[in-house]
Amino acid sequence: TQLLEQSPQFLSIQEGENLTVYCNSSSVFSSLQWYRQEPGEGPVLLVTVVTGGEVKKLKRLTFQFGDARKDSSLHITAAQTGDTGLYLCAGILNTGGFKTIFGAGTRLFVKA
Amino acid sequence: KAGVTQTPRYLIKTRGQQVTLSCSPISGHRSVSWYQQTPGQGLQFLFEYFSETQRNKGNFPGRFSGRQFSNSRSEMNVSTLELGDSALYLCASSTPPRQGLNEQFFGPGTRLTVL
Repeated sequence: TQLLEQSPQFLSIQEGENLTVYCNSSSVFSSLQWYRQEPGEGPVLLVTVVTGGEVKKLKRLTFQFGDARKDSSLHITAAQTGDTGLYLCAGILNTGGFKTIFGAGTRLFVKA
Repeated sequence: KAGVTQTPRYLIKTRGQQVTLSCSPISGHRSVSWYQQTPGQGLQFLFEYFSETQRNKGNFPGRFSGRQFSNSRSEMNVSTLELGDSALYLCASSTPPRQGLNEQFFGPGTRLTVL
């Protein structure tokens, strides 16, 4: 069974603080994605990382893929209230077709 | 370009009934995947269809089934509903993967409540 462990599950911080969310697995993924989901909506893709050791930046968000392609992190600098939401990591396995394994999610609440 | 649409958005059923959910992918997308999202289990993969064929399947009982039509629209069916089937059912469509990238676009989901 492929598992993708995501931590922390919940995070409540003040505006302006930094935070990091982690995803870890024993499986090797062909790529890894991060999504953000708002209430009443489906997840929206933020980034895809493909190469081991890859780092991608999206404004105040920094995404890193582990060298062995088994883990990833999302770092948010100077969080804003608009960052509040559910963040999901998803590992992509190429099994002939593509199978996506999602982490349980991190619910982030940024207080003004 | 219209996004992924799912109907209905909300559904209330009773135990033992069956339900059919519908998903229309983004125009040009031929792959459709279905997921179940619950607070306790998170997002769990149900199955993926490509060109009317089921290409991948998750670990769900046979009560969960799906199909895809020639126009790429997809339906999923749950028979003999149980209380634990209450969840948000999400559909995602994607283009053929390029360079190993499989980018999925999700619909807003169907919120199913089983009483």
